Amino acid sequence: NAGVTQTPKFRVLKTGQSMTLLCAQDMNHEYMYWYRQDPGMGLRLIHYSVGEGTTAKGEVPDGYNVSRLKKQNFLLGLESAAPSQTSVYFCASSSGLTGNYGYTFGSGTRLTVV
Amino acid sequence: AQSVTQPDIHITVSEGASLELRCNYSYGATPYLFWYVQSPGQGLQLLLKYFSGDTLVQGIKGFEAEFKRSQSSFNLRKPSVHWSDAAEYFCAVGRASKIIFGSGTRLSIRP
Repeated sequence: NAGVTQTPKFRVLKTGQSMTLLCAQDMNHEYMYWYRQDPGMGLRLIHYSVGEGTTAKGEVPDGYNVSRLKKQNFLLGLESAAPSQTSVYFCASSSGLTGNYGYTFGSGTRLTVV
Repeated sequence: AQSVTQPDIHITVSEGASLELRCNYSYGATPYLFWYVQSPGQGLQLLLKYFSGDTLVQGIKGFEAEFKRSQSSFNLRKPSVHWSDAAEYFCAVGRASKIIFGSGTRLSIRP
């Protein structure tokens, strides 16, 4: 089925460890996004990309890095994980910068940093 | 400052009753408006969207929403809820790459 696939679905990290979350979409969307979801705070934009090879900062970029080497993939990296990064991470993609067709979301990655 | 407010954190309605979820926003220009639904353990699914034209928009699963410019509101409605509608609902507004999400309203259905 077409859509957005996130891996892994669950992960537990120790403080200071690093990891990469992978997002893959097969809809040929230009735009991809990484959000984090925390209780009572909705979704907050971490980084986004408007095309292959481009990335930009969102609302809460500190402590994260991203790369978009291929159009279909958008990677989110945590270089030195902190407990404050415990969250559910969602990747999304869209065919237009205005999200004319809305965003297509992945099913999320639940990350716990201990 | 741009913001989205969903004033109801949690709502419980009886199955078969009508539903209205509130959304108010603050935005410099007229934004695009969206409602998303999130079932437990799942990602968000687009219910409906408004860009321009008729201020009453129809979405999937029998939902509709009305844009009221004077009140900066975009409330979601359903005439008769089903147990399967239990989920969390997010209002979102924005333009370009900047879509802002509300903090969500959790909907529970009473049998």
